Amino acid sequence: GQNIDQPTEMTATEGAIVQINCTYQTSGFNGLFWYQQHAGEAPTFLSYNVLDGLEEKGRFSSFLSRSKGYSYLLLKELQMKDSASYLCAVRDSDAGNMLTFGGGTRLMVKP
Amino acid sequence: KAGVTQTPRYLIKTRGQQVTLSCSPISGHRSVSWYQQTPGQGLQFLFEYFSETQRNKGNFPGRFSGRQFSNSRSEMNVSTLELGDSALYLCASSLVARSGGVYEQYFGPGTRLTVT
Repeated sequence: GQNIDQPTEMTATEGAIVQINCTYQTSGFNGLFWYQQHAGEAPTFLSYNVLDGLEEKGRFSSFLSRSKGYSYLLLKELQMKDSASYLCAVRDSDAGNMLTFGGGTRLMVKP
Repeated sequence: KAGVTQTPRYLIKTRGQQVTLSCSPISGHRSVSWYQQTPGQGLQFLFEYFSETQRNKGNFPGRFSGRQFSNSRSEMNVSTLELGDSALYLCASSLVARSGGVYEQYFGPGTRLTVT
């Protein structure tokens, strides 16, 4: 089975930087995804990591360390519209590449 | 390109009834996955279909079933509804990699099911 842990809630200030951590345990790691979900809406894809290191995409970056079973999503220059839940999800090749989601981190950006 | 569409968007049913939800994937996407999302349990995987075959199944009772048609459209069915089945049901589609790679999933807007 898989175990994916994320903080439940975080608060940050507009213009600041925030890091959302995700730890996982899986037997056949085959990629880690980050999704953003605004209240009442569907999740939207943010980033994908399969090799160790940092993937940068505009204000958002995602980091992966496979040996530590650890990833983080870094959001820079926070905007009010970044208030949302951020979901970490892991694919397990030992489970038919099934995607398992963490519980999500609800981020509140304050002015 | 049109996104993933799901119908209906909202549904109210009573305990014991059954329900069928529909999902049309993005054109060219042949993999369709279904998820249940509740405040307490988060996003939980139900099943995945590819080429009309169920490839993966999550840990849900047999009351939850699905199928995929030759045009990649998918349906899921829940029989003998229980109060605890009230949730947002999300469908996601993706391309399928030939050699072990993975593609991101694109989610539909979901069907909000309320069981009374």
